[in-house]
Amino acid sequence: GAGVSQSPSNKVTEKGKDVELRCDPISGHTALYWYRQSLGQGLEFLIYFQGNSAPDKSGLPSDRFSAERTGGSVSTLTIQRTQQEDSAVYLCASGPGGSLYEQYFGPGTRLTVT
Amino acid sequence: SQQGEEDPQALSIQEGENATMNCSYKTSINNLQWYRQNSGRGLVHLILIRSNEREKHSGRLRVTLDTSKKSSSLLITASRAADTASYFCATVRYNNNDMRFGAGTRLTVKP
Repeated sequence: GAGVSQSPSNKVTEKGKDVELRCDPISGHTALYWYRQSLGQGLEFLIYFQGNSAPDKSGLPSDRFSAERTGGSVSTLTIQRTQQEDSAVYLCASGPGGSLYEQYFGPGTRLTVT
Repeated sequence: SQQGEEDPQALSIQEGENATMNCSYKTSINNLQWYRQNSGRGLVHLILIRSNEREKHSGRLRVTLDTSKKSSSLLITASRAADTASYFCATVRYNNNDMRFGAGTRLTVKP
């Protein structure tokens, strides 16, 4: 079946511009996560959605970052006024029931801020 | 902040040898999971061990969990060149549904 998909796969933007990254989770998965991975580093948790509950935004690094999940399915991560330090691979994952179960990762979006 | 911390940061072995990677964490957990990542993308789930379990096996993988020491280990037996990847542990805390990853161990298996 279809896995988690993300778009675009690569994004190059100028400093100061806004970007939107999209994640299509596996159908039926109630949990959705966004992570950021900088070059050669581990994963940095950004935000977590579970069903209709209020999202856990504790990992968002600044108020320039926001995310929403419409209809409990597709999610968009928005970065406003991008900075060079925002350059990273942004990974989305979905799961069948929160972190008590494994997560299924998308291929990621590589963001480069010039 | 990261919850799990893997060591070593990098490990290089010959094909056929066993590889052991360790993970330490700081808070009480519900479960601990190990993931593999090739080429900086596409994490793949390997194994999940719950806090009331001490050992789990999956093929050539063996995971142990010591909650008293707040540590876990991942053993890959009879390694292959295709096992070359980064390995991450991730922890899930009680009463908290998020998952926190460590910085990973970079494993290189030489043919």
